[in-house]
Amino acid sequence: AQTVTQSQPEMSVQEAETVTLSCTYDTSESDYYLFWYKQPPSRQMILVIRQEAYKQQNATENRFSVNFQKAAKSFSLKISDSQLGDAAMYFCAYRSAHTGANSKLTFGKGITLSVRP
Amino acid sequence: EAGVTQSPTHLIKTRGQQATLRCSPISGHTSVYWYQQALGLGLQFLLWYDEGEERNRGNFPPRFSGRQFPNYSSELNVNALELEDSALYLCASSLNRESGNTIYFGEGSWLTVV
Repeated sequence: AQTVTQSQPEMSVQEAETVTLSCTYDTSESDYYLFWYKQPPSRQMILVIRQEAYKQQNATENRFSVNFQKAAKSFSLKISDSQLGDAAMYFCAYRSAHTGANSKLTFGKGITLSVRP
Repeated sequence: EAGVTQSPTHLIKTRGQQATLRCSPISGHTSVYWYQQALGLGLQFLLWYDEGEERNRGNFPPRFSGRQFPNYSSELNVNALELEDSALYLCASSLNRESGNTIYFGEGSWLTVV
């Protein structure tokens, strides 16, 4: 079974600064997808960024980028120029690329990010 | 285009009662997922439906059940409610059961059991 670990329960960043959120995962598969979701106080899960394991290039979405290290099974999220609206809980998630019964999202426990003005 | 919609937003039930939560996926999506987010426990996978069939089930007792209707909407039923069932229940949908499709979430239904 796949597991996702987010070892930091909380982090804080100064507005306009850069912060990196860590995530590691464990899997025996070679094909999979990794995601970062954001959950603001409204509680709706919002997709921030996704990474296909077969792609060597790290995904980027505006101020959000990832550092994907497949051999180390590490998938960190970097938020540049942090804004007050970035304050939320962030979840790392894994999904097998094999379509089938196990093709569901497996989440880490999440990290609460606060942004200081 | 409307996103994943869930109802009710909040529900308060008494221990032993039954609760029914509803979800409408994004138009055109056939796969629906249910997750439970209890305080301190993260997101736990409950159920996955696609094309009207249950595709996978998480590690929950049988009193958690659901179904998917021909229009792909879904409902989650929780029987014999227990206090620890109090949680946010998130519904999500994807285009179909192909693993490459992005999964989109609704705003959730808060269930409080007293």
